[in-house]
Amino acid sequence: EAGVTQFPSHSVIEKGQTVTLRCDPISGHDNLYWYRRVMGKEIKFLLHFVKESKQDESGMPNNRFLAERTGGTYSTLKVQPAELEDSGVYFCASSHMYREGTQYFGPGTRLTVL
Amino acid sequence: KNQVEQSPQSLIILEGKNCTLQCNYTVSPFSNLRWYKQDTGRGPVSLTIMTFSENTKSNGRYTATLDADTKQSSLHITASQLSDSASYICVVSARGNTGFQKLVFGTGTRLLVSP
Repeated sequence: EAGVTQFPSHSVIEKGQTVTLRCDPISGHDNLYWYRRVMGKEIKFLLHFVKESKQDESGMPNNRFLAERTGGTYSTLKVQPAELEDSGVYFCASSHMYREGTQYFGPGTRLTVL
Repeated sequence: KNQVEQSPQSLIILEGKNCTLQCNYTVSPFSNLRWYKQDTGRGPVSLTIMTFSENTKSNGRYTATLDADTKQSSLHITASQLSDSASYICVVSARGNTGFQKLVFGTGTRLLVSP
């Protein structure tokens, strides 16, 4: 079974530019989560999809961040325009609906905003 | 405020030795507690999961304990191997109003096993 995949693995952009991160969850997993870890801090929750619906987006920092999951499969997280403080590692995780507890994480996308 | 604190921040031990990592939490309402292992450049991988009523859970050389009264957990690694070098993250799950869980992460303990 393929795990959670994320693309790209690294992204370096300049302040003010736009970046789109992609996450492909484990096939059949209805729950998809986005998390972020900034330098020296703990991983923090951003938002949670159940299929194509946003269940909880209370962790999204501001309206420069837009997450979508059209069709309930893969998800994208767009940052527009990017700011210096957006730098960090963005993790995606997925879990099965009935066993919602165990989340399987992707390798993360390291975003650097210069 | 939901919070998870871990100690030590980092640890170096010799191969073959044992070690214990600590986790204190203030998360409510508590659902479960997990220990994750995160290798460099990879996402976290779940090692153990414990609910309120469980005191201990083992996974090979990893043994986790939970004291729900004092809100403390520990992860004990026996006979360490070089491959145990990683960050170990304590993650407490809070049950939200919608019934879905929200994970609260500690900052992790970075373990280095030296030959």
